[in-house]
Amino acid sequence: SQQGEEDPQALSIQEGENATMNCSYKTSINNLQWYRQNSGRGLVHLILIRSNEREKHSGRLRVTLDTSKKSSSLLITASRAADTASYFCATDIGYKLSFGAGTTVTVRA
Amino acid sequence: DVKVTQSSRYLVKRTGEKVFLECVQDMDHENMFWYRQDPGLGLRLIYFSYDVKMKEKGDIPEGYSVSREKKERFSLILESASTNQTSMYLCASTFTSSYNEQFFGPGTRLTVL
Repeated sequence: SQQGEEDPQALSIQEGENATMNCSYKTSINNLQWYRQNSGRGLVHLILIRSNEREKHSGRLRVTLDTSKKSSSLLITASRAADTASYFCATDIGYKLSFGAGTTVTVRA
Repeated sequence: DVKVTQSSRYLVKRTGEKVFLECVQDMDHENMFWYRQDPGLGLRLIYFSYDVKMKEKGDIPEGYSVSREKKERFSLILESASTNQTSMYLCASTFTSSYNEQFFGPGTRLTVL
């Protein structure tokens, strides 16, 4: 069963703008991960945030985690055409991951 | 670089055929996973393996079986393919730690006619 749900389902932005997407989950977690999937390809790990962390940065990515609200957000700053992809949050259940349905981001030139 | 490879990028099979999807990883990972991905449903876990010859059912194991005879190789078997198994199949691997990222293969798009 899916643990995480991303919101919105789809997002269209202009190049240079920021993109924000959210993930809500149902049960307690050890960590939460974000992955990117370019069209028709496998997933690529972007960032992992542990349950005792509130914010984490990696390049143009910023992830926040609010365990009291069981939610996380992924911010991509200064978006580029190459950021066009689907983004998934994944929560851990032991050493398995439960993925949401994803947010599809389109960056317009 | 970690590499996870899958035997085919695209596959077309007939209803009732036995289908083998193979996945190989080169990082000595203990854990390997098979997912299917369908529009609007995200990734759903079919089976995973935490050691050679060990396997556990995921969320949607019906109609599938798996084989792991060697650490680097994890096979997904559709005993009698059906049209509702048309999907994108993704393999992944990781070390035994809940803090470790999963590494994915490029996926196999299977069409069952």
